[in-house]
Amino acid sequence: DTGVSQDPRHKITKRGQNVTFRCDPISEHNRLYWYRQTLGQGPEFLTYFQNEAQLEKSRLLSDRFSAERPKGSFSTLEIQRTEQGDSAMYLCASSTTRDGYTFGSGTRLTVV
Amino acid sequence: DQQVKQNSPSLSVQEGRISILNCDYTNSMFDYFLWYKKYPAEGPTFLISISSIKDKNEDGRFTVFLNKSAKHLSLHIVPSQPGDSAVYFCAATWEKSSGDKLTFGTGTRLAVRP
Repeated sequence: DTGVSQDPRHKITKRGQNVTFRCDPISEHNRLYWYRQTLGQGPEFLTYFQNEAQLEKSRLLSDRFSAERPKGSFSTLEIQRTEQGDSAMYLCASSTTRDGYTFGSGTRLTVV
Repeated sequence: DQQVKQNSPSLSVQEGRISILNCDYTNSMFDYFLWYKKYPAEGPTFLISISSIKDKNEDGRFTVFLNKSAKHLSLHIVPSQPGDSAVYFCAATWEKSSGDKLTFGTGTRLAVRP
């Protein structure tokens, strides 16, 4: 198992464009999380899936953000009409227990 | 509202000495605490955790202490090694939280000097 994979590693986009990130979790992990980390801050929770069900969304996740996890496998995070404030590192993690979080290396988004 | 606080943005220690990283929290519902280590261009990796029913947990060179009355925890690294140089995040959660979502502090950058 190669751990949690995120694609792409870096994304530069113009303001107003849509972007989509992908996360491939560890195969036996039923929980999948998205976090966002901005400069000088710790990761902030965005959303959580148990298998294919999205069980919780942070208020940070505005209506421009949508996440899916079809068939409880990989997950995508889409941001529509990107804004400069969306520039951040987007981290995906998967787990089976509270100690079992494995984070991916993240996707760094830059909105210009 | 910063519920988990790491008030020292950076710390520098000599190789072989003790590193002490501190964390404070404000939410009384938190009952489980974790430390993560992050190298540049990588995601955070789990280091050590502690439940609120304990006041100490040890794993090799790493020990976490929890003072519930003060809402304070600390991570001790003894002896410190240059490879420990990284950003350390304190995180917290609670048993009834949905899916054990974590609330992170802002991190402390540790530099271990050879």
